[in-house]
Amino acid sequence: SQTIHQWPATLVQPVGSPLSLECTVEGTSNPNLYWYRQAAGRGLQLLFYSVGIGQISSEVPQNLSASRPQDRQFILSSKKLLLSDSGFYLCAWSVQVSYNEQFFGPGTRLTVL
Amino acid sequence: TQLLEQSPQFLSIQEGENLTVYCNSSSVFSSLQWYRQEPGEGPVLLVTVVTGGEVKKLKRLTFQFGDARKDSSLHITAAQPGDTGLYLCASFSNDYKLSFGAGTTVTVRA
Repeated sequence: SQTIHQWPATLVQPVGSPLSLECTVEGTSNPNLYWYRQAAGRGLQLLFYSVGIGQISSEVPQNLSASRPQDRQFILSSKKLLLSDSGFYLCAWSVQVSYNEQFFGPGTRLTVL
Repeated sequence: TQLLEQSPQFLSIQEGENLTVYCNSSSVFSSLQWYRQEPGEGPVLLVTVVTGGEVKKLKRLTFQFGDARKDSSLHITAAQPGDTGLYLCASFSNDYKLSFGAGTTVTVRA
């Protein structure tokens, strides 16, 4: 069966510090990968998605970047965090079939102080 | 990007009562998904509806897709505390990209 991991689960960082969040998927090959951000109790905002190694599509111009160094690894980064980067970050994967279900990881709660 | 409007934003009911939440758009949905998210966890898919007028049932949950494929509803019969969560509707803006509504927070009191 497939599983998706995210770490860390929670993170408190000062403004201006760097960020690296990691997501890995097990049990599947060549998945589509996604990064979302969610404000408290609200809907999900798609940040980045990837259909293959090294292929990243950015949805919202901002302080963040994403990379996919391996088939089942997706990394979200920032060089300098802003207060507005606080939120709940979710990684998801889907098979490479159109209009298919997305499976979400447990999320990372990021607080920027 | 398709805009999805969900209502109400919050809903608090007593155990055993029924509830309905709505998802609407000004444009036609290619398909629509409903997810439920519990606090501190990722969303989990409940259902996908594709055909206008479609009705799907998942135990005490009934999902309807409007004939014109511009609206959908989720009805829960005899709600239980385990139904508490954030209910999100989502639609595909292209083959892979999902756009989410803002969600309805449902609280079922024991």
